[in-house]
Amino acid sequence: EIVLTQSPDFQSVTPKEKVTITCRASQSIGSSLHWYQQKPDQSPKLLIKYASQSFSGVPSRFSGSGSGTDFTLTINSLEVEDAATYYCHQSSSLPFTFGPGTKVDIK
Amino acid sequence: QVQLVESGGGVVQPGRSLRLSCAASGFTFSSYGMQWVRQAPGKGLEWVTVISYDGSNKYYADSVKGRFTISRDNSKNTLYLQMNSLRAEDTAVYYCAKDAETFVTGTACDYWGQGTLVTVPS
Repeated sequence: EIVLTQSPDFQSVTPKEKVTITCRASQSIGSSLHWYQQKPDQSPKLLIKYASQSFSGVPSRFSGSGSGTDFTLTINSLEVEDAATYYCHQSSSLPFTFGPGTKVDIK
Repeated sequence: QVQLVESGGGVVQPGRSLRLSCAASGFTFSSYGMQWVRQAPGKGLEWVTVISYDGSNKYYADSVKGRFTISRDNSKNTLYLQMNSLRAEDTAVYYCAKDAETFVTGTACDYWGQGTLVTVPS
């Protein structure tokens, strides 16, 4: 099973600051890495698919990069509404797996 | 617009069974793989199972293999999860989610339902 680790676990950020979340896979997964945002009491929402492809309707301040084992989600100029938990997810190898999540809080 | 509506959750005693349903609309259901993902209270997301667009391929997490069965009825645009021999550790919100790509089994999940809560008392 491919294990995904995320860092940091938690980040407290002021609005307009840049946020970087990393996801590391225990073995190479190519570009089959996806990012989701989940706000309290809501379903997850897809932000980025296949490492760097923005999903339709997602604000341009969200971007993704990486391949192989190391991936990054970047939020440029954080907005108050971006307070949420962010998860990475791999669909390269069964069983599919999710990272433990990174909670982003607004200072 | 894409809509996924889960139903069938509730409180069930350990060892008993429950069947979840996910009614899909707003897209060509028979062209997409579908997945179930669960989230225990206060915890992260856990992948559970995936089914191909035509139902011919199914894959499961080890934690549910042999107890849970995913299926679909493309004539009714509905996805199912039959859960048998339920345990306290199966307590979670269960989400159905749509694959982002056609005719590929297991991709990014581009749309999710609102979830249905399954509670198995310990």
